[in-house]
Amino acid sequence: AQSVTQLGSHVSVSEGALVLLRCNYSSSVPPYLFWYVQYPNQGLQLLLKYTTGATLVKGINGFEAEFKKSETSFHLTKPSAHMSDAAEYFCAVSRASGTYKYIFGTGTRLKVLA
Amino acid sequence: DAGITQSPRHKVTETGTPVTLRCHQTENHRYMYWYRQDPGHGLRLIHYSYGVKDTDKGEVSDGYSVSRSKTEDFLLTLESATSSQTSVYFCAISGTQGAEETQYFGPGTRLLVL
Repeated sequence: AQSVTQLGSHVSVSEGALVLLRCNYSSSVPPYLFWYVQYPNQGLQLLLKYTTGATLVKGINGFEAEFKKSETSFHLTKPSAHMSDAAEYFCAVSRASGTYKYIFGTGTRLKVLA
Repeated sequence: DAGITQSPRHKVTETGTPVTLRCHQTENHRYMYWYRQDPGHGLRLIHYSYGVKDTDKGEVSDGYSVSRSKTEDFLLTLESATSSQTSVYFCAISGTQGAEETQYFGPGTRLLVL
């Protein structure tokens, strides 16, 4: 079975500050890991993903995440927050084969303070 | 953006009535998924399809059925809508060659069951 835990349903940061959104997963098989962003009244947009290879993955809009197997984590970071980063962020896990069904975390709403 | 449309985008219905939501893709992708999004739960998989007429249940399938008679269309039916099915419904697709694991999401359908 697979599961995802996102610590902190709401996170606030000042503009220009570091963004850190936490994601821990549980998986009995090698996982694929994803971060998606959702702006109000829109669908989900892929930020980045880890499948195989390099454990530090870079995505769109200056975000990156590091797969740490020993810590079962895939935290999302951005060095400097912009007002436009305010959105809800979802971490998801799937198996590395088959129908690629996702298990999503419950989401973290990021607020950026001026 | 992946060519995914959902219809209708908004719907209000009454308890006990049947409702059908449509997902249409122009990407010729093999896999299609239906999720519901509720506060505090993230996105949860209702049903998915791995080919024409090939479907299977997700984690919250009770009260829902699906059909896929063509590659491009995936229909979600609520046979007898209940207030607990008030939600935002998202369709997703995957199947890009070399990146079958990556899901792309539609804009969502907001359903209110009175």
